[in-house]
Amino acid sequence: GAGVSQSPRYKVAKRGQDVALRCDPISGHVSLFWYQQALGQGPEFLTYFQNEAQLDKSGLPSDRFFAERPEGSVSTLKIQRTQQEDSAVYLCASSKTDSHYNEQFFGPGTRLTVL
Amino acid sequence: GNSVTQMEGPVTLSEEAFLTINCTYTATGYPSLFWYVQYPGEGLQLLLKATKADDKGSNKGFEATYRKETTSFHLEKGSVQVSDSAVYFCALNTGNQFYFGTGTSLTVIP
Repeated sequence: GAGVSQSPRYKVAKRGQDVALRCDPISGHVSLFWYQQALGQGPEFLTYFQNEAQLDKSGLPSDRFFAERPEGSVSTLKIQRTQQEDSAVYLCASSKTDSHYNEQFFGPGTRLTVL
Repeated sequence: GNSVTQMEGPVTLSEEAFLTINCTYTATGYPSLFWYVQYPGEGLQLLLKATKADDKGSNKGFEATYRKETTSFHLEKGSVQVSDSAVYFCALNTGNQFYFGTGTSLTVIP
């Protein structure tokens, strides 16, 4: 079975451009998470979906960040008017349910560089 | 609030040395605890987990015990190999999000 996939793997954007990052979770996984990982740091939570419902978006750093999962499967993280401080690796993870027992399966990440 | 503090790196060890990476946590409720590993050029992979107090997680010679009294989940391995060189992340799961430590880089030299 395929794991979590993300695309693109690398993205270079000029400051002010909009970007869209895609995540394909493991089939059947109810929960989907987005994290931001700055260089030399651990992943930091951005937002969480249970099926198509966005249950927590408390980690989104500004209103320029927007995430959706309209059919409860594929998710897109959109960043509008990118800034240099948005440069990071964006990780997507999925899990079977939102039980705290469950591990999260991580994708390879999208490395975003804003020039 | 919830948070994880882990030992700062980098850590450099000789092959067959004993490894300890310290991890302590602060949590509301009863989280599960995890160690994830990130090998060079790869994504995060689960190494081991423990879901309740006094549980011991183990995998590939690594082990960690969920100590509620000391709020700790230290990672240990008796004899490291060059192939263990990676970044190790301690994390806690409250159900709707993971909280990660900053990561500890381990380099094992032959």
